[in-house]
Amino acid sequence: EVVLTQSPGTLSLSPGERATLSCRASQSVSNYLAWYQQKPGQAPRLLIHDASNRATGIPARFSGSGSGTDFTLTISSLEPEDFAVYFCHQRSNSLTFGGGTKVEIK
Amino acid sequence: QMQLVQSGPEVKKPGTSVKVSCKASEFTFSSGVQWLRQARGQRLEWIGWIVVGRGNTNYAQNFQERVSMTRDMSTNTVYMELNNLRPEDTAVYYCATVNRLGWSDPWGQGTLVTVSS
Repeated sequence: EVVLTQSPGTLSLSPGERATLSCRASQSVSNYLAWYQQKPGQAPRLLIHDASNRATGIPARFSGSGSGTDFTLTISSLEPEDFAVYFCHQRSNSLTFGGGTKVEIK
Repeated sequence: QMQLVQSGPEVKKPGTSVKVSCKASEFTFSSGVQWLRQARGQRLEWIGWIVVGRGNTNYAQNFQERVSMTRDMSTNTVYMELNNLRPEDTAVYYCATVNRLGWSDPWGQGTLVTVSS
């Protein structure tokens, strides 16, 4: 099973700041990695697929990079609605998910 | 965009079964639907998936002996039944369509299943 490890567990930032989230895979997943946003009581929302492609309707401030085992989600300038939990997900070998990074208001 | 609406919360006793439904605004013959769950404070866990048109399924090894996924194409509804429930099955269960790029999107709103004696 591919284990996805996300860091940090919590990121405390202010609106307008840049957020950098990391996801590391226990083995290569090529570019079969996605990022989701989840707010309390809501279903996950696809942000980035195939490591670096924004999903339909996702603002340009969200970007993804990486391949193989190391991936990054960057939010260039945090908007109030961006404070949420973000998790990564791979579908290269079965389907597994990271434990999530909570982006909270500082 | 397609929307998925799941059935309401369930409270079940250990050893019983639960059947969760997921109704779509539309399905195509080749639509795939994933089922996943998230226990409180835990990461998401994949349960399996069903191809709506053909009805073929693929279950995660951890659930193979206890899960069954079916569909009713006349009502655009898929079902996930989990048998022999245990307290550790307490979780929010989600359905999600597999988009044309192979990713789970969109998701249903989730169904809380509580297993308690």
